Amino acid sequence: EAGVVQSPRYKIIEKKQPVAFWCNPISGHNTLYWYLQNLGQGPELLIRYENEEAVDDSQLPKDRFSAERLKGVDSTLKIQPAELGDSAVYLCASSLGGGPSQSEQFFGPGTRLTVL
Amino acid sequence: KQEVTQIPAALSVPEGENLVLNCSFTDSAIYNLQWFRQDPGKGLTSLLLIQSSQREQTSGRLNASLDKSSGRSTLYIAASQPGDSATYLCAVINSGGYQKVTFGTGTKLQVIP
Repeated sequence: EAGVVQSPRYKIIEKKQPVAFWCNPISGHNTLYWYLQNLGQGPELLIRYENEEAVDDSQLPKDRFSAERLKGVDSTLKIQPAELGDSAVYLCASSLGGGPSQSEQFFGPGTRLTVL
Repeated sequence: KQEVTQIPAALSVPEGENLVLNCSFTDSAIYNLQWFRQDPGKGLTSLLLIQSSQREQTSGRLNASLDKSSGRSTLYIAASQPGDSATYLCAVINSGGYQKVTFGTGTKLQVIP
């Protein structure tokens, strides 16, 4: 069974440019998470989807970040315009959803973003 | 607001030693707690999930316990090996409402051959 797929793995852009990250969760997983991880820190949740509904986007900087999960499967996270401080690793995770026993999260390899 | 703390931030042990990693949280109204390992430059690998109704989970040489009343979880690694070297992270999902996810900052483990 394929794991969580993310692309690209690395991205280098100039500040003020737009950038997009793509995530395909494990097949059948209804819950999808986007996280940001700075060096030496734990991941910080940006947004959580239950199917196509964003149920927690309280930590998403909505002035420059946007996300979508059309048809409740794969998802795209966008930054426009990017700032120097956005340099980080962007992680996507998924879980089956439902009760506590189905909430185990599985992570993709992440996208390392460098903003110059 | 949930706060998750992992102490120590780094740990170095000789191969074969048994060790305990700690995870503390401030809000005991949790849905579950999950332990991960992260190798340099990689994503997170799930190790164990403990539901709020459970006290412990075991997988191979790993055993995780949960004490909600004291706001603590421990990850016990038996007979450590150099391949166990990684950063270990715990994540807490709170019950109710948004089911917020909060990660600790991790413990970087080095097992010396």
